[in-house]
Amino acid sequence: EDQVTQSPEALRLQEGESSSLNCSYTVSGLRGLFWYRQDPGKGPEFLFTLYSAGEEKEKERLKATLTKKESFLHITAPKPEDSATYLCAGEGGSQGNLIFGKGTKLSVKP
Amino acid sequence: ETGVTQSPTHLIKTRGQQVTLRCSSQSGHNTVSWYQQALGQGPQFIFQYYREEENGRGNFPPRFSGLQFPNYSSELNVNALELDDSALYLCASSLSRGVGAGDTQYFGPGTRLTVL
Repeated sequence: EDQVTQSPEALRLQEGESSSLNCSYTVSGLRGLFWYRQDPGKGPEFLFTLYSAGEEKEKERLKATLTKKESFLHITAPKPEDSATYLCAGEGGSQGNLIFGKGTKLSVKP
Repeated sequence: ETGVTQSPTHLIKTRGQQVTLRCSSQSGHNTVSWYQQALGQGPQFIFQYYREEENGRGNFPPRFSGLQFPNYSSELNVNALELDDSALYLCASSLSRGVGAGDTQYFGPGTRLTVL
């Protein structure tokens, strides 16, 4: 069964304290690995798509990487406005749907 | 460029009633997917429409149904509402190159449905 697992469930950082979020996946025929940011009560906001192992993408303080089994979202020198839930999703199988993890809730304190 | 919009924002229904949620896809997109997100969980796939045809469905009962219109907007209908249907319903649109092509899905703000 296709599955996406994110860890940790929650992460508290001090402003400027860099860290990484993990996304482990078992998705048959993975065609894309997606990262989204979600603020409370709102829809997910697209961050990155990764298509092949070894690929990396960056946006401001965020950098996403992909291996054959995992993806990491690295956050460098986070700010309080980076506080949100970060969702990882894989697309594979016979349908075009995204299989989501439960997310990592990030809190950045000033 | 207009993003994905959904209506209504919030909705309160009672058990056994029926509800229709609406979604306007991002300009130029031809595919719409619907997801259900319970509190504290990741979104769960309900179904997807590509050029007005359903081309994928998740593990949801038949009382969840949908439509996609020629302008690529979409509706999600839920009959015989149950308490467990209370959730945030998300619509996502994409410009698909074909089923399962790894196309990026862009989400709307969601509709919060509460079933009493």
